[in-house]
Amino acid sequence: EPEVTQTPSHQVTQMGQEVILRCVPISNHLYFYWYRQILGQKVEFLVSFYNNEISEKSEIFDDQFSVERPDGSNFTLKIRSTKLEDSAMYFCASRVLLGTEAFFGQGTRLTVV
Amino acid sequence: GQQVMQIPQYQHVQEGEDFTTYCNSSTTLSNIQWYKQRPGGHPVFLIQLVKSGEVKKQKRLTFQFGEAKKNSSLHITATQTTDVGTYFCAVDYGGATNKLIFGTGTLLAVQP
Repeated sequence: EPEVTQTPSHQVTQMGQEVILRCVPISNHLYFYWYRQILGQKVEFLVSFYNNEISEKSEIFDDQFSVERPDGSNFTLKIRSTKLEDSAMYFCASRVLLGTEAFFGQGTRLTVV
Repeated sequence: GQQVMQIPQYQHVQEGEDFTTYCNSSTTLSNIQWYKQRPGGHPVFLIQLVKSGEVKKQKRLTFQFGEAKKNSSLHITATQTTDVGTYFCAVDYGGATNKLIFGTGTLLAVQP
């Protein structure tokens, strides 16, 4: 069964460092998302992406964040200068069309120290 | 931003008891989805509701969409330990924004 894959599963980084979280969405999917979940809390929307551009971003998704789909398969989330409060689980999701189910990756646990 | 509230935040039941979580929005929704997240896992799609007053069943799970399409519920009959996890509703705002916003979630604990 097709699945969304995310790498790495766990990333530890020093505060102020840049991190890139990687995702490979399901191949025929057109809509892509990044979400963040701080331990025990809700799944927070960060950004949606379609047709090689950002459709919508939340208040959390400030200038420190960027997304790219560099090669037609990978979908990356970059955090330029990490802060302690960026520590969370980051989920990538994709879906084939609007109004259909979203498939989530296993997540990347980011720990900023 | 858009807020989708769920109640309760947490529910602890004995195995065999029923469980219900409610999802409420201040705006009329085009559709609503439900996801389950097992402890340590990722959200997994359960179902989508589209029509006003729609009721769908999956074995012991019953999903309902309100008549005004502003609220929804998930009811589990005779809970089992495998039902443990967090249940999220998700609102598909669609259109140009392409947003899927998750509710605050209800964590279900089932005591054997």
